[in-house]
Amino acid sequence: EILLTQSPAIIAASPGEKVTITCSASSSVSYMNWYQQKPGSSPKIWIYGISNLASGVPARFSGSGSGTSFSFTINSMEAEDVATYYCQQRSSYPLTFGAGTKLELK
Amino acid sequence: EVKLVESGGGLVQPGGSLRLSCATSGFTFTDYYMSWVRQPPGKALEWLGFIRNKANGYTTEYSASVKGRFTISRDNSQSILYLQMNTLRAEDSATYYCARDGVGHLYFDVWGAGTTVTVSS
Repeated sequence: EILLTQSPAIIAASPGEKVTITCSASSSVSYMNWYQQKPGSSPKIWIYGISNLASGVPARFSGSGSGTSFSFTINSMEAEDVATYYCQQRSSYPLTFGAGTKLELK
Repeated sequence: EVKLVESGGGLVQPGGSLRLSCATSGFTFTDYYMSWVRQPPGKALEWLGFIRNKANGYTTEYSASVKGRFTISRDNSQSILYLQMNTLRAEDSATYYCARDGVGHLYFDVWGAGTTVTVSS
């Protein structure tokens, strides 16, 4: 089973600030996704295939990485970005998620 | 509009069984892999398993934590996904989501709102 370790677990950012979340895999991953989940709502696909933005996702979001190290970046934090973000690997079974990073507004 | 609507959650005693349903609409059900994902209160998402599409023989994959206790099936005539859960434990208490695999079977592109299961005496 591929273990995904996200850091930080919680991060607070001011409007306009750059935010970076990392996801470290215990084995090499070729396909990494990121989901956004707001309180009381179901998750939404946010970034797929490492760096592809899902439909409707603002261009201030980006994803990158390869092998065992991946990152999720918001270039300029906005209030609407407050949520928990999860990485998820699609390279081997069982499919696994990271523990999540809770993004708060400072 | 693509929709997934889960139902069947509730309170069940330890050792009991429950069957969840996911009614789907707005897409050709047999073309898609369908997954179940759960989330205990305040905790992370956990993939439970999926059932493949018609082209891949409707075969299944499960996580180790539920293999042998949970069974995923589908009624393709009614476009409904099922999760049969047996020998339930307190740690199975969670919100259960059904999710559709996007084209290429590489990410979950549509999620239901979830149904809550509580396992307690």
